Amino acid sequence: GQSLEQPSEVTAVEGAIVQINCTYQTSGFYGLSWYQQHDGGAPTFLSYNALDGLEETGRFSSFLSRSDSYGYLLLQELQMKDSASYFCAVRSDQTGANNLFFGTGTRLTVIP
Amino acid sequence: ETGVTQTPRHLVMGMTNKKSLKCEQHLGHNAMYWYKQSAKKPLELMFVYSLEERVENNSVPSRFSPECPNSSHLFLHLHTLQPEDSALYLCASSQEGRGLGANVLTFGAGSRLTVL
Repeated sequence: GQSLEQPSEVTAVEGAIVQINCTYQTSGFYGLSWYQQHDGGAPTFLSYNALDGLEETGRFSSFLSRSDSYGYLLLQELQMKDSASYFCAVRSDQTGANNLFFGTGTRLTVIP
Repeated sequence: ETGVTQTPRHLVMGMTNKKSLKCEQHLGHNAMYWYKQSAKKPLELMFVYSLEERVENNSVPSRFSPECPNSSHLFLHLHTLQPEDSALYLCASSQEGRGLGANVLTFGAGSRLTVL
Protein backbone atom coordinates (compact mmCIF):
# COMPACT_ATOMS: atom_id res chain seq x y z
CA GLY A 1 0.00 0.00 0.00
CA GLN A 2 0.85 3.64 -0.05
CA SER A 3 1.27 5.84 3.03
CA LEU A 4 2.35 9.40 3.61
CA GLU A 5 2.93 10.96 7.02
CA GLN A 6 2.95 14.63 7.94
CA PRO A 7 2.37 16.44 11.22
CA SER A 8 -1.28 17.28 11.78
CA GLU A 9 -0.72 20.80 13.11
CA VAL A 10 2.05 23.40 13.22
CA THR A 11 1.98 26.87 14.75
CA ALA A 12 4.51 29.57 13.91
CA VAL A 13 5.00 33.28 14.41
CA GLU A 14 4.57 35.85 11.67
CA GLY A 15 7.91 36.60 10.01
CA ALA A 16 9.45 33.30 11.12
CA ILE A 17 10.44 30.20 9.14
CA VAL A 18 8.55 26.92 9.34
CA GLN A 19 9.29 23.47 7.93
CA ILE A 20 6.58 20.91 7.22
CA ASN A 21 7.88 17.37 6.84
CA CYS A 22 6.53 14.49 4.79
CA THR A 23 7.70 10.89 4.86
CA TYR A 24 6.32 8.38 2.42
CA GLN A 25 6.14 4.68 1.64
CA THR A 26 4.95 3.91 -1.86
CA SER A 27 5.36 1.05 -4.29
CA GLY A 28 7.02 3.39 -6.79
CA PHE A 29 8.20 6.99 -6.76
CA TYR A 30 7.98 9.55 -9.52
CA GLY A 31 7.81 12.80 -7.62
CA LEU A 32 6.66 14.64 -4.51
CA SER A 33 4.22 17.55 -4.76
CA TRP A 34 2.88 20.08 -2.28
CA TYR A 35 -0.53 21.71 -2.23
CA GLN A 36 -1.98 24.53 -0.13
CA GLN A 37 -5.62 24.72 0.90
CA HIS A 38 -7.23 27.64 2.70
CA ASP A 39 -10.41 27.04 4.67
CA GLY A 40 -13.32 26.83 2.26
CA GLY A 41 -11.03 26.96 -0.74
CA ALA A 42 -9.58 24.67 -3.38
CA PRO A 43 -6.23 22.95 -2.90
CA THR A 44 -3.68 24.75 -5.06
CA PHE A 45 -0.41 23.40 -6.40
CA LEU A 46 2.75 24.81 -4.82
CA SER A 47 5.73 22.75 -5.93
CA TYR A 48 7.04 19.50 -7.35
CA ASN A 49 10.30 17.61 -6.78
CA ALA A 50 11.34 14.66 -8.89
CA LEU A 51 15.04 14.76 -8.04
CA ASP A 52 16.92 15.18 -4.76
CA GLY A 53 17.58 18.67 -3.57
CA LEU A 54 15.94 22.00 -2.92
CA GLU A 55 13.54 23.80 -5.25
CA GLU A 56 12.91 27.46 -4.44
CA THR A 57 9.88 29.49 -5.49
CA GLY A 58 9.79 32.85 -3.77
CA ARG A 59 9.17 32.45 -0.05
CA PHE A 60 8.42 28.74 -0.44
CA SER A 61 11.01 26.00 -0.98
CA SER A 62 10.60 22.26 -1.23
CA PHE A 63 13.20 19.60 -0.55
CA LEU A 64 13.41 15.94 -1.47
CA SER A 65 15.65 13.07 -0.37
CA ARG A 66 14.67 9.94 -2.27
CA SER A 67 17.06 7.73 -0.31
CA ASP A 68 15.31 8.76 2.92
CA SER A 69 11.78 8.75 1.40
CA TYR A 70 11.46 12.21 2.87
CA GLY A 71 10.66 15.70 1.82
CA TYR A 72 9.73 19.01 3.35
CA LEU A 73 8.12 22.31 2.53
CA LEU A 74 9.90 25.38 3.89
CA LEU A 75 7.99 28.62 4.29
CA GLN A 76 10.02 31.75 4.99
CA GLU A 77 8.99 35.23 6.17
CA LEU A 78 5.66 33.83 7.27
CA GLN A 79 2.60 35.95 6.68
CA MET A 80 -0.84 35.66 8.24
CA LYS A 81 -2.24 34.63 4.86
CA ASP A 82 -0.03 31.51 4.96
CA SER A 83 -2.39 30.04 7.57
CA ALA A 84 -3.80 27.07 5.67
CA SER A 85 -3.52 23.30 5.32
CA TYR A 86 -0.58 21.90 3.39
CA PHE A 87 -0.67 18.48 1.70
CA CYS A 88 2.16 16.43 0.31
CA ALA A 89 1.41 14.04 -2.53
CA VAL A 90 3.45 11.28 -4.13
CA ARG A 91 3.13 9.95 -7.66
CA SER A 92 3.78 6.23 -7.58
CA ASP A 93 3.94 5.64 -11.33
CA GLN A 94 5.31 7.62 -14.24
CA THR A 95 1.97 7.68 -15.98
CA GLY A 96 -1.56 7.02 -14.98
CA ALA A 97 -4.01 9.52 -13.62
CA ASN A 98 -4.80 7.28 -10.65
CA ASN A 99 -1.32 7.07 -9.19
CA LEU A 100 -1.17 10.24 -7.08
CA PHE A 101 -1.52 9.74 -3.31
CA PHE A 102 -2.04 12.47 -0.74
CA GLY A 103 -1.08 12.84 2.91
CA THR A 104 -3.56 13.83 5.62
CA GLY A 105 -2.41 17.43 5.57
CA THR A 106 -0.71 19.78 8.04
CA ARG A 107 -2.70 22.68 9.38
CA LEU A 108 -0.42 25.71 9.73
CA THR A 109 -1.50 28.52 12.00
CA VAL A 110 0.48 31.74 11.81
CA ILE A 111 0.18 33.92 14.91
CA PRO A 112 1.12 37.59 15.31
CA GLU B 1 -11.10 31.18 -9.93
CA THR B 2 -8.95 28.14 -10.62
CA GLY B 3 -10.43 27.20 -13.98
CA VAL B 4 -12.34 24.32 -12.40
CA THR B 5 -15.89 25.17 -11.36
CA GLN B 6 -18.04 23.01 -9.11
CA THR B 7 -21.75 23.30 -8.41
CA PRO B 8 -23.48 23.33 -6.06
CA ARG B 9 -21.08 24.60 -3.39
CA HIS B 10 -23.33 23.26 -0.64
CA LEU B 11 -25.86 20.44 -0.73
CA VAL B 12 -28.05 18.95 1.98
CA MET B 13 -29.90 15.78 1.12
CA GLY B 14 -31.84 13.02 2.77
CA MET B 15 -30.80 9.41 2.46
CA THR B 16 -33.50 8.66 -0.10
CA ASN B 17 -32.80 11.62 -2.36
CA LYS B 18 -31.09 11.59 -5.74
CA LYS B 19 -28.83 14.51 -6.53
CA SER B 20 -25.87 15.27 -8.76
CA LEU B 21 -22.65 17.23 -8.38
CA LYS B 22 -21.29 19.01 -11.44
CA CYS B 23 -17.76 19.94 -12.40
CA GLU B 24 -16.57 21.93 -15.40
CA GLN B 25 -12.98 22.70 -16.37
CA HIS B 26 -11.88 25.42 -18.78
CA LEU B 27 -8.22 24.44 -18.94
CA GLY B 28 -8.17 22.02 -21.86
CA HIS B 29 -7.02 19.20 -19.62
CA ASN B 30 -7.51 15.56 -20.58
CA ALA B 31 -8.02 13.99 -17.14
CA MET B 32 -10.66 14.72 -14.50
CA TYR B 33 -11.00 13.40 -10.97
CA TRP B 34 -13.40 13.15 -8.07
CA TYR B 35 -11.88 13.21 -4.58
CA LYS B 36 -13.57 12.91 -1.19
CA GLN B 37 -12.15 15.06 1.61
CA SER B 38 -13.07 14.16 5.18
CA ALA B 39 -11.61 15.62 8.35
CA LYS B 40 -8.33 14.04 9.50
CA LYS B 41 -8.13 11.76 6.47
CA PRO B 42 -6.08 11.86 3.28
CA LEU B 43 -7.78 12.96 0.13
CA GLU B 44 -9.51 9.85 -1.16
CA LEU B 45 -9.46 9.32 -4.90
CA MET B 46 -12.89 8.17 -6.01
CA PHE B 47 -12.91 8.22 -9.78
CA VAL B 48 -10.64 9.21 -12.63
CA TYR B 49 -11.47 9.86 -16.23
CA SER B 50 -8.46 9.97 -18.51
CA LEU B 51 -9.01 10.83 -22.17
CA GLU B 52 -12.74 10.46 -21.39
CA GLU B 53 -12.33 6.84 -20.32
CA ARG B 54 -13.06 5.85 -16.76
CA VAL B 55 -10.36 4.30 -14.62
CA GLU B 56 -12.09 1.83 -12.35
CA ASN B 57 -11.96 2.35 -8.63
CA ASN B 58 -13.30 -0.69 -6.84
CA SER B 59 -13.48 0.81 -3.37
CA VAL B 60 -16.23 3.31 -4.12
CA PRO B 61 -19.80 2.22 -3.23
CA SER B 62 -22.25 1.97 -6.09
CA ARG B 63 -24.39 4.73 -4.56
CA PHE B 64 -21.83 7.06 -6.18
CA SER B 65 -21.98 7.04 -9.97
CA PRO B 66 -19.72 9.21 -12.14
CA GLU B 67 -20.45 10.47 -15.63
CA CYS B 68 -18.07 12.18 -18.05
CA PRO B 69 -19.97 13.29 -21.17
CA ASN B 70 -16.93 15.12 -22.61
CA SER B 71 -13.45 16.18 -21.58
CA SER B 72 -14.68 19.39 -19.94
CA HIS B 73 -17.52 18.09 -17.81
CA LEU B 74 -17.74 15.59 -14.98
CA PHE B 75 -20.72 14.64 -12.86
CA LEU B 76 -21.12 12.65 -9.67
CA HIS B 77 -24.60 11.19 -9.30
CA LEU B 78 -25.65 10.50 -5.71
CA HIS B 79 -28.32 8.00 -4.70
CA THR B 80 -29.40 6.62 -1.30
CA LEU B 81 -26.40 8.05 0.50
CA GLN B 82 -25.50 7.45 4.13
CA PRO B 83 -24.68 10.05 6.79
CA GLU B 84 -21.01 8.93 6.68
CA ASP B 85 -20.91 10.14 3.08
CA SER B 86 -21.09 13.71 4.35
CA ALA B 87 -17.84 15.34 3.22
CA LEU B 88 -16.30 17.84 0.84
CA TYR B 89 -16.24 16.46 -2.70
CA LEU B 90 -13.47 17.92 -4.80
CA CYS B 91 -13.18 17.84 -8.55
CA ALA B 92 -9.78 18.23 -10.19
CA SER B 93 -8.26 18.15 -13.64
CA SER B 94 -4.79 17.62 -15.07
CA GLN B 95 -2.95 17.15 -18.33
CA GLU B 96 -2.00 13.50 -18.34
CA GLY B 97 1.26 12.45 -19.94
CA ARG B 98 4.88 12.17 -19.00
CA GLY B 99 5.59 15.80 -18.20
CA LEU B 100 5.12 18.04 -15.19
CA GLY B 101 1.49 18.58 -16.11
CA ALA B 102 0.64 15.11 -14.91
CA ASN B 103 1.75 16.13 -11.42
CA VAL B 104 -0.18 19.37 -11.26
CA LEU B 105 -3.81 18.94 -10.33
CA THR B 106 -6.08 21.94 -10.55
CA PHE B 107 -8.89 21.63 -8.03
CA GLY B 108 -12.28 23.21 -7.80
CA ALA B 109 -13.45 24.72 -4.52
CA GLY B 110 -15.53 21.66 -3.74
CA SER B 111 -19.13 20.74 -3.02
CA ARG B 112 -19.88 20.43 0.71
CA LEU B 113 -22.35 17.55 1.06
CA THR B 114 -24.40 16.89 4.17
CA VAL B 115 -26.50 13.72 4.31
CA LEU B 116 -29.22 13.75 6.94
